[in-house]
Amino acid sequence: QVQLQESGPGLVKPSQTLSLTCTLSGGSLSSGDYYWTWIRQHPGKALEFIGYIYYDGSPYYNPSLKSRLTLSVDRSKNHFSMKLSSVTAADTAVYYCARGDYGGPSNWLDPWGQGTLVTVSP
Amino acid sequence: DIQMTQSPSSLSASVGDRVTITCRASQSIRTSLNWYQQKPGKAPKVLIYVASSLQSGVPSRFSGSGSGTDFSFTISSLQPEDFATYFCQQSYATPWTFGQGTKVEVK
Repeated sequence: QVQLQESGPGLVKPSQTLSLTCTLSGGSLSSGDYYWTWIRQHPGKALEFIGYIYYDGSPYYNPSLKSRLTLSVDRSKNHFSMKLSSVTAADTAVYYCARGDYGGPSNWLDPWGQGTLVTVSP
Repeated sequence: DIQMTQSPSSLSASVGDRVTITCRASQSIRTSLNWYQQKPGKAPKVLIYVASSLQSGVPSRFSGSGSGTDFSFTISSLQPEDFATYFCQQSYATPWTFGQGTKVEVK
């Protein structure tokens, strides 16, 4: 059974870089053509798609974050990562990683990590 | 970006009620529409994918329908464990986008 787990600092200072890692267990990042995805959820708000790393290593960045975002994958460690630079309080959110699956015309996210709260504060 | 509009934003219902939530896309997304359930402090969980396909292990009281711009999600007989927030998500075009959520509360 595939499981995902986010890790990284829970507190980041404004203007610094937020770095998170998502570690996969029960499967391999090298198997299957999945979309290894990041999503965030501001407190009490809707979900926001951040971007994904496709199984072949090619990234997609949400244009709203593209100038500050870097996604990468380390197959030897079976994890993928995100870095968001120049953070502000508006980047305070719960960050989730998830596997993007697909079938026919749709991509859906399953499973998800448990999520990690990142607070941007001095 | 494709905008996803859910309605209602919240509803109150009783155990055994039939509950329907709608999701409208700002342009046609064919059937590239998924539904998720989120409980407080937990990650979302996919219930329906490709508009009407039931995810493995999900009870059959959950169903989805629609295509193009208008979609619906139904719980045929609300159970105590179904009180949660439900989101739709489109994957027709990047960036993938979510509805704002519908909170199903106890009446």
